[in-house]
Order: sequence, then structure tokens, then C-alpha cells
Amino acid sequence: SAVISQKPSRDICQRGTSLTIQCQVDSQVTMMFWYRQQPGQSLTLIATANQGSEATYESGFVIDKFPISRPNLTFSTLTVSNMSPEDSSIYLCRTMDSYNEQFFGPGTRLTVL
Amino acid sequence: ELKVEQNPLFLSMQEGKNYTIYCNYSTTSDRLYWYRQDPGKSLESLFVLLSNGAVKQEGRLMASLDTKARLSTLHITAAVHDLSATYFCAVEDPNSNSGYALNFGKGTSLLVTP
Repeated sequence: SAVISQKPSRDICQRGTSLTIQCQVDSQVTMMFWYRQQPGQSLTLIATANQGSEATYESGFVIDKFPISRPNLTFSTLTVSNMSPEDSSIYLCRTMDSYNEQFFGPGTRLTVL
Repeated sequence: ELKVEQNPLFLSMQEGKNYTIYCNYSTTSDRLYWYRQDPGKSLESLFVLLSNGAVKQEGRLMASLDTKARLSTLHITAAVHDLSATYFCAVEDPNSNSGYALNFGKGTSLLVTP
């Protein structure tokens, strides 16, 4: 099974600032996704990170607010821009390999003051 | 948009009892997942169900899938305290932009008491 790490594991940020979250996988994966879990809520897909091209965003999420990079098959970043307290959530990376095996990362717990 | 509904959302049960969590989804899908989440933790994959009539069991948990009814169940047998957690079902949405996006139910918060 793939081993996924996320950095940072948690952070407390001031409103108006930006935070970049990293997702690193120990093996090449076909697909990488970014999810958000607001306090006490279920998970919502933000976007699919595409290698070498722009991410595919779901309804309600835009590139200016959540820019995503995926420079290769093992790494992706999600930036939460111009943060507000409503962005306080757990952000999770999910991966899928060519065998359709999929895993979630440990998550990044973000608090915006 | 593929919608996923779980019930109940909250479940308090005594140790030793049996109970079932239900997951309904609105459109055809090829894959259904069950996850467990402990407080402050990420998601742990429990089961992947791929075909109609699929049944998988691990310990005190058993999951089944009826694609015709668009229904999956997670059955808990003789519950123990260690099963206390939040359980999510998630369904792969073939109509998502990527084709592999997971739509999640709201989760069932399970508390097993002595």
C-alpha cells in the first residue's frame, strides 16, 4: 500500500494569509485529489490534481482561492489563499494508483483566527 | 449530481448488540467504499464493494451492496467499545470531471456503551 505524508500536519494561521499544504506519496500514483472536511462535517472534494496541467475543480471551488500544483506523479500541493475563519478545516489528500488502489493521507488540520 | 445518504447519523448502542447502518445513493456507480474515522484522525478504508451482491466481512463488521436498489449496508455484530468511531460511505461518481471522485455521506457517529 502507498504511504502518504502531508505537511504540515496542523497549523494556526491569521486571516488574510495563505498556507500551502504538501502531499507526498512513496510511489507513483495515477490520480491525486484534495478534500476538505469542515468541523463535524463530511468530506467534500475540492479538486483533482492533474499532472502537468491545471487542476479540475468541483462546483464551489475556484483556482484563485485553492491553487493546486502537481509537478510529478508523487507530489502535489494545495494552497489555501486569503484565508478566513470559514477555511478552518481538515484538508486531506487522496491518491489512486493504476490498480485503482486508493488511500487517504493523514490530513492537515488548519485553524484560521 | 450523485447524492449519498446515510442513516442513522448518530447511533448509540450497547456492547454485544447488533445494528445496521444504511447507505443509499442516487445514481449508478461502480464502486462503493466504507471508511472509519476516529476523532482527529484521517480515514481508514474498511471495505470496497464493486459488484451487485458483494459481501465483505472483517471482524465484527460486514458490508453488502445491492446495486439495483442503490443500497449498501454496514452490519455490526456484537458491538464492542473499540468500534466507537464515525463511519462514512462514499460512492464513486462516474459523472465527475475526473470520473473517480468520491461523494461522501454525512457519516454515522457510533458510540458503543457498556
